[in-house]
Amino acid sequence: NAGVTQTPKFQVLKTGQSMTLQCAQDMNHNSMYWYRQDPGMGLRLIYYSASEGTTDKGEVPNGYNVSRLNKREFSLRLESAAPSQTSVYFCASSDSGRGNIQYFGAGTRLSVL
Amino acid sequence: TQLLEQSPQFLSIQEGENLTVYCNSSSVFSSLQWYRQEPGEGPVLLVTVVTGGEVKKLKRLTFQFGDARKDSSLHITAAQPGDTGLYLCAGVDSSYKLIFGSGTRLLVRP
Repeated sequence: NAGVTQTPKFQVLKTGQSMTLQCAQDMNHNSMYWYRQDPGMGLRLIYYSASEGTTDKGEVPNGYNVSRLNKREFSLRLESAAPSQTSVYFCASSDSGRGNIQYFGAGTRLSVL
Repeated sequence: TQLLEQSPQFLSIQEGENLTVYCNSSSVFSSLQWYRQEPGEGPVLLVTVVTGGEVKKLKRLTFQFGDARKDSSLHITAAQPGDTGLYLCAGVDSSYKLIFGSGTRLLVRP
């Protein structure tokens, strides 16, 4: 059982380049989330999708877009990467009927030069 | 904006010692979760506390939710090197999103 799978694991971008982070879950969860983790700041919510077909902004959405492609997949896009977006990105999913226990992927480590 | 403050930020102790990590907020949460994160991995849920005053034990780890549901603590008895990691508390807000604390990085030296 793979759980939550994120690709790629590592990425280096130049300022202004674009890229899409992919996330897929095989637990039939309704809700999916994108977080960024920076030193000393815990995890901050970028965007979330409470159910297929819906997306909402989280705490730090600027510079990002998301697509809930289907129930399994939730992608995060950086249209024009900036050095401030250097971070570790985590995707998570939850079955909202179970107290919002979230299951996380292993993360994507992104450096923007 | 709801905030969760964790303390201490870093803790380096000898194997066998006890420790307590605190998670405090001025806001009330419907429940609070504790996660542990190891290097190169995502956070993994340890426990959820729901009721004010609730105490849950997971082997050598004891979790407590404050009576007013604004704070929580994690106590580890006789820490072992395998306890090393980043401990994160997360409050569940009124719209069922998680608000994470900044984390406590624990190093247990053999």
